[in-house]
Amino acid sequence: DAKTTQPPSMDCAEGRAANLPCNHSTISGNEYVYWYRQIHSQGPQYIIHGLKNNETNEMASLIITEDRKSSTLILPHATLRDTAVYYCIVRVVGYNNNDMRFGAGTRLTVKP
Amino acid sequence: DTGVSQDPRHKITKRGQNVTFRCDPISEHNRLYWYRQTLGQGPEFLTYFQNEAQLEKSRLLSDRFSAERPKGSFSTLEIQRTEQGDSAMYLCASSFQEIGYGYTFGSGTRLTVV
Repeated sequence: DAKTTQPPSMDCAEGRAANLPCNHSTISGNEYVYWYRQIHSQGPQYIIHGLKNNETNEMASLIITEDRKSSTLILPHATLRDTAVYYCIVRVVGYNNNDMRFGAGTRLTVKP
Repeated sequence: DTGVSQDPRHKITKRGQNVTFRCDPISEHNRLYWYRQTLGQGPEFLTYFQNEAQLEKSRLLSDRFSAERPKGSFSTLEIQRTEQGDSAMYLCASSFQEIGYGYTFGSGTRLTVV
């Protein structure tokens, strides 16, 4: 069973903020939320991850609700180059864990 | 060393032939992963190595598939007796144990079986 639920597609106007939601209602206390994106014909690219605090880096911000059952990836000023499939993944970070499992993701289209 | 390299980028083969793909990870990364991705789907995990040891294999990895990572450096993924259903993008990723940054992916090898 998928651990996350994402809308299959979203549109965003260029220059506006893109807010991509993810539901992970069964997340465990030791599971992190990861976001990747995949631009056409390329491999997935790591964006950001977090446990319970909001996180920000040069690419995006991650907002995790207090109950941790959902999160939002924010691209503050979307450009055409942000058009991609965005994947939300929950996983435990640990020595023997290999559970970076991808769902179908959200296809974000940034329009001029 | 600027990232994960995969070779070839594209491979067209006839059904029944054997193919081999190569992945060169980031040099200081001790973990290496193989994924398969079909059109419209997210990447599916196949197998991973820590150094030269293959620690996990997905049930997707039938006995026609074999992966190696001699000396814990580059890795190869071989598919024997290819079938049309093997047509997919094969992605390689690497990471340094568990530092939380996630994986660095290569650009993949697109296999077409005709």
